[in-house]
Amino acid sequence: DTGVSQDPRHKITKRGQNVTFRCDPISEHNRLYWYRQTLGQGPEFLTYFQNEAQLEKSRLLSDRFSAERPKGSFSTLEIQRTEQGDSAMYLCASSPGTTKETQYFGPGTRLLVL
Amino acid sequence: GNSVTQMEGPVTLSEEAFLTINCTYTATGYPSLFWYVQYPGEGLQLLLKATKADDKGSNKGFEATYRKETTSFHLEKGSVQVSDSAVYFCALSDRGGAQKLVFGQGTRLTINP
Repeated sequence: DTGVSQDPRHKITKRGQNVTFRCDPISEHNRLYWYRQTLGQGPEFLTYFQNEAQLEKSRLLSDRFSAERPKGSFSTLEIQRTEQGDSAMYLCASSPGTTKETQYFGPGTRLLVL
Repeated sequence: GNSVTQMEGPVTLSEEAFLTINCTYTATGYPSLFWYVQYPGEGLQLLLKATKADDKGSNKGFEATYRKETTSFHLEKGSVQVSDSAVYFCALSDRGGAQKLVFGQGTRLTINP
C-alpha cells in the first residue's frame, strides 16, 4: 500500500477563482471521504463515496462545492468562486468499506484564499 | 446528533509523566471510538480504536477503554516521551451508513525533556 495521496499539498488562490483538489485512495478501498479542517478544530465531514456513487453530503458542502469519483478510484473536489472562508485543510480518507473499518487519511491540501 | 468533547489544551508535561486526555461522546446507538494523532507536518494517523463497550484499544504504550456507562474514551499513557508531542483527536463513527467520523476539537500535547 502506498497510502492515500493528495495533490496539491498547498494552494494559494485569489477570491473568486476556482480550485480543484485530487485524492488517490489506497488501491481497492471502496470508500472515499472528504473532510475539512480549520485551524484549531477537528476535521468535519464533507462527503463520501462508495465506489463511484456519492452517497452522502454534509450541509457544509454548499453548491459551490462539487466532488466526483468517476471510476471509483481517484476523486476530485472542486470549489467554485472561492471565498476567504474556504481557507482550510482539505483531507481525504479511504477505507475498505466493510463494517468497523478504519479510515486512512492523506496528508491534506492546505488552501489559502486571499 | 453525534458529538465528541475532548479536554481542551494545550497540555504540557515533562518526559516520563503520566498522561490523560479526556474524551466524552454523545451518540445514538453504539458507535466505534477512535483516537487519531497528528504529528507536526504530518497527516492524521490512527492511534487506537475500540468497537464495543469495555473494549480496550492500545498502541505505542497508549490505552483507552470504551466506557458505555460514562460515554467516555479517555486516552492514557504511563510515561510520555518527547516524541509523543502532537495533536490528539478523539472521534466516533456510527456503525451503519456512511460510517463518517465525528471528531473532537483536538488536544495539543507538548512534552518537555
